[in-house]
Amino acid sequence: GAVVSQHPSRVICKSGTSVKIECRSLDFQATTMFWYRQFPKQSLMLMATSNEGSKATYEQGVEKDKFLINHASLTLSTLTVTSAHPEDSSFYICSARVGIDQPQHFGDGTRLSIL
Amino acid sequence: QKEVEQNSGPLSVPEGAIASLNCTYSDRVSQSFFWYRQYSGKSPELIMSIYSNGDKEDGRFTAQLNKASQYVSLLIRDSQPSDSATYLCAVFGGGADGLTFGKGTHLIIQP
Repeated sequence: GAVVSQHPSRVICKSGTSVKIECRSLDFQATTMFWYRQFPKQSLMLMATSNEGSKATYEQGVEKDKFLINHASLTLSTLTVTSAHPEDSSFYICSARVGIDQPQHFGDGTRLSIL
Repeated sequence: QKEVEQNSGPLSVPEGAIASLNCTYSDRVSQSFFWYRQYSGKSPELIMSIYSNGDKEDGRFTAQLNKASQYVSLLIRDSQPSDSATYLCAVFGGGADGLTFGKGTHLIIQP
């Protein structure tokens, strides 16, 4: 149980393109999902907390207008990287939890490469 | 500021030995504790959850929690080369917050 699906797994695109990443909880409902970014050999960095039916909460230093998060249902959150640039190239990972004190389960991640 | 501290390593352990990974946390009211394993280029996967003081065993893995000392550890018995990965300690402090992750310990099991 507690499977999180993330799609796509890999994106390569030109600078200026907007990229949408989907995160789905397959066998449970997730009122809260989390978006992380990880650069090579660096630790996980929380970008934002996504709450179903309300605005996402962004961590300090993360641009809300650049990283658009939508959590339209209890099983789907999306992250859109708008007008992506090479410095946005990274490994983006979503996670979701069954309950407030339960572990987070991670998707397989999306490797984004902006040329 | 909630903090979770781990030795970054690398921690090198011979195959078949016990690997011991340690983690300390700053928030005394933390409630739930988790260990994740992350292979290079992959996303983290949950290995163990522990909620109360003492030991919790699952196969070759044992998690140990000492809330008084604000310390949680992970023991891996009969270490295998496939256990080579980065191990992340994560702590839940309550409320709407997500987990606070340590930076991870890089474990190398030497054949």
